[in-house]
Amino acid sequence: AQTVTQSQPEMSVQEAETVTLSCTYDTSESDYYLFWYKQPPSRQMILVIRQEAYKQQNATENRFSVNFQKAAKSFSLKISDSQLGDAAMYFCAYIPNTDKLIFGTGTRLQVFP
Amino acid sequence: NAGVMQNPRHLVRRRGQEARLRCSPMKGHSHVYWYRQLPEEGLKFMVYLQKENIIDESGMPKERFSAEFPKEGPSILRIQQVVRGDSAAYFCASSLSPSGGLDTQYFGPGTRLTVL
Repeated sequence: AQTVTQSQPEMSVQEAETVTLSCTYDTSESDYYLFWYKQPPSRQMILVIRQEAYKQQNATENRFSVNFQKAAKSFSLKISDSQLGDAAMYFCAYIPNTDKLIFGTGTRLQVFP
Repeated sequence: NAGVMQNPRHLVRRRGQEARLRCSPMKGHSHVYWYRQLPEEGLKFMVYLQKENIIDESGMPKERFSAEFPKEGPSILRIQQVVRGDSAAYFCASSLSPSGGLDTQYFGPGTRLTVL
C-alpha cells in the first residue's frame, strides 16, 4: 500500500529558530515526486517545496529545505529562521506514477515569539 | 494569472438536499483533481478529470457523488441527498499536464460544506 506517515501531530518552535518536520512514505515505485504543502488557518493549500525522486540533490526554497533519503523513504522539511507567518498545518504528499496526491495526516506547527 | 477558483467558499445544506461545488482551473490547465478533507485529517483523493473525461474516480464514493468537467465551463462536483458525514472541506486542484509527470497540482481555496 502507498502511504505517507507524519508522526508528529504537533510541533512548536521559537521565532528565528529552526524546526524539522518528519515524513516517511511507503512505495514500491522508483520514480515519484514528493511535496510539502502548507495550510494556514485560511485553509488554502500552498505548495512549499517539491522534490523529484530521481534527483539526489535536496530541494531548497529560501528558508525551506528538505532532507530526502530515498533508501530510507524519508522526506523531512527544515524551516530555518522561523517566522510567525510559518504557523500552519504542514502536509507531506507523494505522487507515484499516477496522478493522485497521497497526503499524510499533517503536522500542526506553532511559532512562539 | 488567476489561480484556481472555487465557489462557493461555504455551503450549508440540510440532509437530503443536493450540493454543487464548482471549480475553475488555472488558465490553460486542462487537468482537474478533487480532494476531500474531513475534520482533523489530511486530504483524500476523490477524482481526476480532463476536459469531458473522467480519468480516475477510484476515490469517489459509489453512490450519490458525481463529477464532470465539460468542454466549456467549470468542473462540478455534485453530491446528491447529502448526509451529515459529507460535511468536509472539498478542494480542487489543477495542473497543466498530467501530474504523474513533472507538473505540480495547484490548489483552490476549498469549499467548506456543512450538512445540518
